Amino acid sequence: DAGITQSPRYKITETGRQVTLMCHQTWSHSYMFWYRQDLGHGLRLIYYSAAADITDKGEVPDGYVVSRSKTENFPLTLESATRSQTSVYFCASSPGTGAGPQHFGDGTRLSIL
Amino acid sequence: QQQVKQSPQSLIVQKGGISIINCAYENTAFDYFPWYQQFPGKGPALLIAIRPDVSEKKEGRFTISFNKSAKQFSLHIMDSQPGDSATYFCAARTNDMRFGAGTRLTVKP
Repeated sequence: DAGITQSPRYKITETGRQVTLMCHQTWSHSYMFWYRQDLGHGLRLIYYSAAADITDKGEVPDGYVVSRSKTENFPLTLESATRSQTSVYFCASSPGTGAGPQHFGDGTRLSIL
Repeated sequence: QQQVKQSPQSLIVQKGGISIINCAYENTAFDYFPWYQQFPGKGPALLIAIRPDVSEKKEGRFTISFNKSAKQFSLHIMDSQPGDSATYFCAARTNDMRFGAGTRLTVKP
């Protein structure tokens, strides 16, 4: 089925550990996004990518690293997790920026102890 | 600081009633204003969107009203149904999308 798949759906880890959240889309959309969702803040953009090997920072990029070697995959890595990074993370895609993120995955709920 | 301010935080409406959610912004460079609907455990889904050269857009029971001079826009859900119970986010775009904090809508049967 076409769509965006995020994995894992749930993750618990400890401060200081590295954790990678995966995102895979089947539409071949050029744009992909990572957002975090926190109560009272809505969704905030972490990083986005316009195409393979092209990435750029969003509103809250500190502590996160992304890569995009293939159009369909856009992993997000927390190199040394902190408790403030406890959140729900959403990956999204769009055929272009004109309409913003159009399709979202179902999210990864990440808890950092 | 929130670039898009959304109100109310929560809203309870009777079935068949009109749900109204409001958003305000400051940045006049915003050029695209979407609304997203999110059900528990799911990602947001694009619901309806408007550009600032239009004052109103209607899709089925959902209408966006846009007031450029007041820098405000709102979502109206006519004949609200229990299945509309969800969290709604407004957003506004320049180089990237900025989201409101969300409104949790409950439609009582």
